[in-house]
Amino acid sequence: DTAVSQTPKYLVTQMGNDKSIKCEQNLGHDTMYWYKQDSKKFLKIMFSYNNKELIINETVPNRFSPKSPDKAHLNLHINSLELGDSAVYFCASSQDSGSETQYFGPGTRLLVL
Amino acid sequence: SQQGEEDPQALSIQEGENATMNCSYKTSINNLQWYRQNSGRGLVHLILIRSNEREKHSGRLRVTLDTSKKSSSLLITASRAADTASYFCATDATDSWGKLQFGAGTQVVVTP
Repeated sequence: DTAVSQTPKYLVTQMGNDKSIKCEQNLGHDTMYWYKQDSKKFLKIMFSYNNKELIINETVPNRFSPKSPDKAHLNLHINSLELGDSAVYFCASSQDSGSETQYFGPGTRLLVL
Repeated sequence: SQQGEEDPQALSIQEGENATMNCSYKTSINNLQWYRQNSGRGLVHLILIRSNEREKHSGRLRVTLDTSKKSSSLLITASRAADTASYFCATDATDSWGKLQFGAGTQVVVTP
């Protein structure tokens, strides 16, 4: 059984479009995260939700809007996509917001043309 | 800002050899973690060392932590081709609770 799953795995789209990435975890964790990994493999946190509440909101353009309908799901919606948004986006979860180990999804590879 | 920085950026070794990579960081930490990322996959947690620990082992992995130098090392002994991956250190800084900061990783290639 997949612990943290993301859809889609690949996403190719044109500049200016709006797209969403979905994430689900079946681990019963309270906290979920979105990370962005750039072409140099540098991984940077974007958002974190604990029990559906936003607890970490890094300096991310407001074109990015996370939504957590319940604690098992954390979706990422991106408006007006730009070339620089091309990256791999990883969802992760942890037992709670103070937990140390994070469990990562397989990633969504976004290419903006 | 980037907290952890790994060194070297890339490492190529033969099966059976040991692989050592280092991580340096900038601020006080609660713990430091190492993750592995296989090509095209997500990160997998390997080992966590707390700020009051100096050394930790897990199977063929050995991690050391020197808080005075703000550095850590990961040693993989008797490497296998399946160890080919990128290895990342991540710090849980004392001033940013619950937020891991990752370095850019060390890419390790183990040839049979």
